[in-house]
Amino acid sequence: SQQGEEDPQALSIQEGENATMNCSYKTSINNLQWYRQNSGRGLVHLILIRSNEREKHSGRLRVTLDTSKKSSSLLITASRAADTASYFCAPYTGTASKLTFGTGTRLQVTL
Amino acid sequence: GAGVSQSPSNKVTEKGKDVELRCDPISGHTALYWYRQSLGQGLEFLIYFQGNSAPDKSGLPSDRFSAERTGGSVSTLTIQRTQQEDSAVYLCASSPTYVYTFGSGTRLTVV
Repeated sequence: SQQGEEDPQALSIQEGENATMNCSYKTSINNLQWYRQNSGRGLVHLILIRSNEREKHSGRLRVTLDTSKKSSSLLITASRAADTASYFCAPYTGTASKLTFGTGTRLQVTL
Repeated sequence: GAGVSQSPSNKVTEKGKDVELRCDPISGHTALYWYRQSLGQGLEFLIYFQGNSAPDKSGLPSDRFSAERTGGSVSTLTIQRTQQEDSAVYLCASSPTYVYTFGSGTRLTVV
């Protein structure tokens, strides 16, 4: 297993703006996942992108993956106050490996 | 059940006491994971159960920590002789493959 490193550590934007957060990792992956955590409790799975995919969309979320740079980005468009949370990336390296999580990006969306 | 259930949701204990935290995973999920998260920090992996295989205990911080999973379902994380540094949110997740569903966690406070 390997840990993703999110950047920036914290991001503050106004409602309606777009939020972009980045993730870097170190070794080959099978897929990469993004999770959201509200108020320090359980994480919620947002989106998964496989190693042979370059871009994926889900509602207001857009994820990109660049395996040559070992990096991914999560874009949240037209942000809302309810998007305020911590966001974690989780690279998955293969069978029987576990996900490990970094410290995340803390997103604050203000009215 | 519909989701991962953890109990209790909050636990205050005196230093030196033993505590048991329970996780009831989603039915049919073969993998079960325990993490802990100290205030403002990322998730720290503790232990991982996969089917009938020997658990991956590589994240347990000391021999005061132990966990079991009975009948491939419910798991109990036990912390003996609790210390103040054990104060954290303990999160459980289950998975059929590599997408995790988390419980809401148990907030443990050692006083």
